[in-house]
Amino acid sequence: SQTIHQWPATLVQPVGSPLSLECTVEGTSNPNLYWYRQAAGRGLQLLFYSVGIGQISSEVPQNLSASRPQDRQFILSSKKLLLSDSGFYLCAWTQQGNYGYTFGSGTRLTVV
Amino acid sequence: AQTVTQSQPEMSVQEAETVTLSCTYDTSENNYYLFWYKQPPSRQMILVIRQEAYKQQNATENRFSVNFQKAAKSFSLKISDSQLGDTAMYFCAFREKLTFGTGTRLTIIP
Repeated sequence: SQTIHQWPATLVQPVGSPLSLECTVEGTSNPNLYWYRQAAGRGLQLLFYSVGIGQISSEVPQNLSASRPQDRQFILSSKKLLLSDSGFYLCAWTQQGNYGYTFGSGTRLTVV
Repeated sequence: AQTVTQSQPEMSVQEAETVTLSCTYDTSENNYYLFWYKQPPSRQMILVIRQEAYKQQNATENRFSVNFQKAAKSFSLKISDSQLGDTAMYFCAFREKLTFGTGTRLTIIP
């Protein structure tokens, strides 16, 4: 069966520090991968998506970047965090051509 | 651009009653998918129900059903016999790239 792992679950980082959030999918190949952010009490905003290794599309210009070094690995990064980067980050995957999305358990990021 | 609108920020209903959450969307596409996701306090996103736009029959999953009106671009969720475990944020979403509405916070009152 397919599973999605996301870590860490909680992270507190100072302003100006770097960030690396990782998401991996098991039990499938060539998935579409997504990073979403949810601000407190708000809906989900799509940040990045990837349809293959090294292929990254950005939906919103921001302080963050994404990379896909391996087929089932998706990384969200920042060189210098801002206070406004605080939020709940969710990774999701779907099989190409399939309409079902599965989400990871999320990372709660607090920038202080 | 695709947009999804949920006009009810919060709702509450007595346990065992029926509640309907509304959602409208805007798209120029003809074939697409619509979803309702549930986010309980754990913040895990859980798929509740999905609807293919080319199907006229409304989707049903146990106590959950949708009223899909393609011409009106409306996609409401009906929860029958509501249970305490239904308390959560509910998000309407539209594919491709899964565009979400702002959510409805549903509270089931015992």
